Amino acid sequence: SYMLTQPPSVSVAPGRTARITCGGNNIGSKNVHWYQQKPGQAPVLVIYYNSGRPSGIPERFSGSNFGNTATLTISRVEAGDEADYYCQARESGSDQVGHVFGTGTKVTVL
Amino acid sequence: EVQLLESGGGLVQPGGSLRLSCAASGFTFSSYAMTWVRQAPGRGLDWVSSISGSADSTYYADSVKGRFTISRDNSKNTLYLQLNSLRVEDTALYYCARERIGFGGNPFDYWGQGTLVTVSS
Repeated sequence: SYMLTQPPSVSVAPGRTARITCGGNNIGSKNVHWYQQKPGQAPVLVIYYNSGRPSGIPERFSGSNFGNTATLTISRVEAGDEADYYCQARESGSDQVGHVFGTGTKVTVL
Repeated sequence: EVQLLESGGGLVQPGGSLRLSCAASGFTFSSYAMTWVRQAPGRGLDWVSSISGSADSTYYADSVKGRFTISRDNSKNTLYLQLNSLRVEDTALYYCARERIGFGGNPFDYWGQGTLVTVSS
């Protein structure tokens, strides 16, 4: 089955840029979405279709997807960005159709 | 305002059954595919099952295939997940989520707050 691999943790100082990667075989051929989850809360969609931003999501959040890696970039990081982040893509093959989440990355704001 | 409200979770013994419900409001329920995602304590997100808007297509993760059944009642704006032959490793917070309308590989744009399933003897 298809797997999406993320670094377990990323640490970043306030005002700096955080980059979270999501690795998968030929992931650039898929639509990748990103979710933010704060403790005790449901996930929130922050990037869709690789680089789109839902209404209400700050422009500081951006995404890209090429080759075997999708990336979520958070510019000018704020304390409120501290959360777990998950990538997600649809898996479709000859014998399996479903969705896959990445392993998750905890972003710590120093 | 889109709202998703899960219910039906609880404590159940291994081998037991539960039925989860997700009451939807604020949108045309029958137009949207819906999904169940679970999260074990301290762990990541895990896709469980999805169903098309008309209920003519259903999909399951290998880990639950043959044990869980997804269904929906569009007249009641409600999504269901029947959990049978439960195992300890099924213990998790179960979320329902709406799949955004699109051309494929669409994101989950609204989520409920989840219902907790605990499988233990």
